[in-house]
Amino acid sequence: DQQVKQNSPSLSVQEGRISILNCDYTNSMFDYFLWYKKYPAEGPTFLISISSIKDKNEDGRFTVFLNKSAKHLSLHIVPSQPGDSAVYFCAASASVDMRFGAGTRLTVKP
Amino acid sequence: EAGVAQSPRYKIIEKRQSVAFWCNPISGHATLYWYQQILGQGPKLLIQFQNNGVVDDSQLPKDRFSAERLKGVDSTLKIQPAKLEDSAVYLCASSSGTLREKLFFGSGTQLSVL
Repeated sequence: DQQVKQNSPSLSVQEGRISILNCDYTNSMFDYFLWYKKYPAEGPTFLISISSIKDKNEDGRFTVFLNKSAKHLSLHIVPSQPGDSAVYFCAASASVDMRFGAGTRLTVKP
Repeated sequence: EAGVAQSPRYKIIEKRQSVAFWCNPISGHATLYWYQQILGQGPKLLIQFQNNGVVDDSQLPKDRFSAERLKGVDSTLKIQPAKLEDSAVYLCASSSGTLREKLFFGSGTQLSVL
């Protein structure tokens, strides 16, 4: 069952531009959302999170937006840098249950 | 602060053989997770420990997979016998509290079953 979906397997953007990664979920019980970043041959590392009581959370170049009515969240990276090239996983949590999306591979071109 | 340690990094076995993976979480982290990540998919939780007790093993194929965390610190995950579809990266993660908190992942063990 795919309760968390990242419909874009890949995204390519130019350095300095905005990267927008999207994530949809189906389970309305999810109330905490996280983004992880993964480089090749490494485990995922935490990037940013948001609680369902908020609609936006910002940390430097990274901003996560949550639209609960649409069951949709997005990660914005501004400005994008070549070092941001990685696979980004969206995760959604409900108490003890956490589900991950399949990931989006972001490539930032110099 | 040392991260989550996993070994081995890579393992190649033939189907029907057995294999074991080891994980040492971040010091002081009470919660330990094993995830399976098949190529092109997101990580899937296999088992979650709180100290040395199992919190969730609902997605663990118990006929062939087993895991233990006897002293509430490091953990082993075993597959016996392995099947071709077990080829995946096995990720260990730890956290200090509940699942709401961010997880710290190890580098994973890449398993190839031939």
